[in-house]
Amino acid sequence: EAGVVQSPRYKIIEKKQPVAFWCNPISGHNTLYWYLQNLGQGPELLIRYENEEAVDDSQLPKDRFSAERLKGVDSTLKIQPAELGDSAVYLCASSLAGTGPYEQYFGPGTRLTVT
Amino acid sequence: DAKTTQPPSMDCAEGRAANLPCNHSTISGNEYVYWYRQIHSQGPQYIIHGLKNNETNEMASLIITEDRKSSTLILPHATLRDTAVYYCRTGNQFYFGTGTSLTVIP
Repeated sequence: EAGVVQSPRYKIIEKKQPVAFWCNPISGHNTLYWYLQNLGQGPELLIRYENEEAVDDSQLPKDRFSAERLKGVDSTLKIQPAELGDSAVYLCASSLAGTGPYEQYFGPGTRLTVT
Repeated sequence: DAKTTQPPSMDCAEGRAANLPCNHSTISGNEYVYWYRQIHSQGPQYIIHGLKNNETNEMASLIITEDRKSSTLILPHATLRDTAVYYCRTGNQFYFGTGTSLTVIP
């Protein structure tokens, strides 16, 4: 079974430039998550989708971050404009939906460096 | 959503059992306990979960106290490849703390 796929794996951009990350979840997983992970810290949830609906985006900085999940499968996370403090690893995860338990399966992440 | 507390780091001799504790004293009755681990430069990997009973799979065992306020992940025969950061989390809000950095020593 293929795992969660993310691209690109690495991205270096200058501040104020836009950037986008793409995620393809495990087939059949209706729930998709985007996390941010700073060095030495645990993952922090940015947004959670159930199918196409963003059911929890309370931690997403909406002034510069946006996300979409068209057709309830792939998802894109965008930052515009990027700031130096956005340098981090961006993780995508997926899980089955339902009443639980919700074991999540993570992709390898995209390491973003903003210069 | 219950928050968790874990020691920041632990060492374990290769071949010995690694016992990783987690405190989740505010867990509610219907919240599961989940364990993940993260090897450097990879995404977190699901290990095991439990609600009330102890659980075992091919990777590890999970011991949950009767009052459910704490749990222990047991790696029965630690290998060098088990060196990683181990995260304990609870509930359905998908919060991860800072985890325990386990170093398996040859």
